[in-house]
Amino acid sequence: GAGVSQSPSNKVTEKGKDVELRCDPISGHTALYWYRQSLGQGLEFLIYFQGNSAPDKSGLPSDRFSAERTGGSVSTLTIQRTQQEDSAVYLCASTITGGTTDTQYFGPGTRLTVL
Amino acid sequence: GNSVTQMEGPVTLSEEAFLTINCTYTATGYPSLFWYVQYPGEGLQLLLKATKADDKGSNKGFEATYRKETTSFHLEKGSVQVSDSAVYFCALSDFSGSARQLTFGSGTQLTVLP
Repeated sequence: GAGVSQSPSNKVTEKGKDVELRCDPISGHTALYWYRQSLGQGLEFLIYFQGNSAPDKSGLPSDRFSAERTGGSVSTLTIQRTQQEDSAVYLCASTITGGTTDTQYFGPGTRLTVL
Repeated sequence: GNSVTQMEGPVTLSEEAFLTINCTYTATGYPSLFWYVQYPGEGLQLLLKATKADDKGSNKGFEATYRKETTSFHLEKGSVQVSDSAVYFCALSDFSGSARQLTFGSGTQLTVLP
């Protein structure tokens, strides 16, 4: 596609349920990032995938969070046993190579609300 | 570790006013610097970037110069328009351990009044 797409655009769930968020990066982009944007705050890095290398998970806030990237393309962020503090907009971005000068192209985000 | 500090908002200006949004950074390496913008109801998009010291990024009338001596990347525009109303994020990209991720500032909400 022309840009990064994410689904669903909105997700409302009950505390304790598991959720899956999906990201389709720009075709040909080797690097993929997940961020979290909480209300009134900046973006918080969660996880980074680069090609076939092991992902950098240093930003994941707890072991309830996990992510995978299948076939070097689509990525899924999973949050288990959701908590109210997980409510945020989850953003995905991709870049051509993952280099430090690359522009990151962001998807529209998934707004997660945990009741 | 890396960090970005940007001017707190919200900022409210009249149309055609001069805009400055301050941004300073701390980085251990040689970062690239970015300004991203988030218009109401839209996703984040790159506004401009600079990849080395003394570079000037520019786009849509906005400018920012990479100043290594003052570790700054202030965003400026000579004459703002109502359509510039958005949230602006300063960011840096550098190696932080093994991760090549962006470190963002907290964002500055700009409202331009007609």
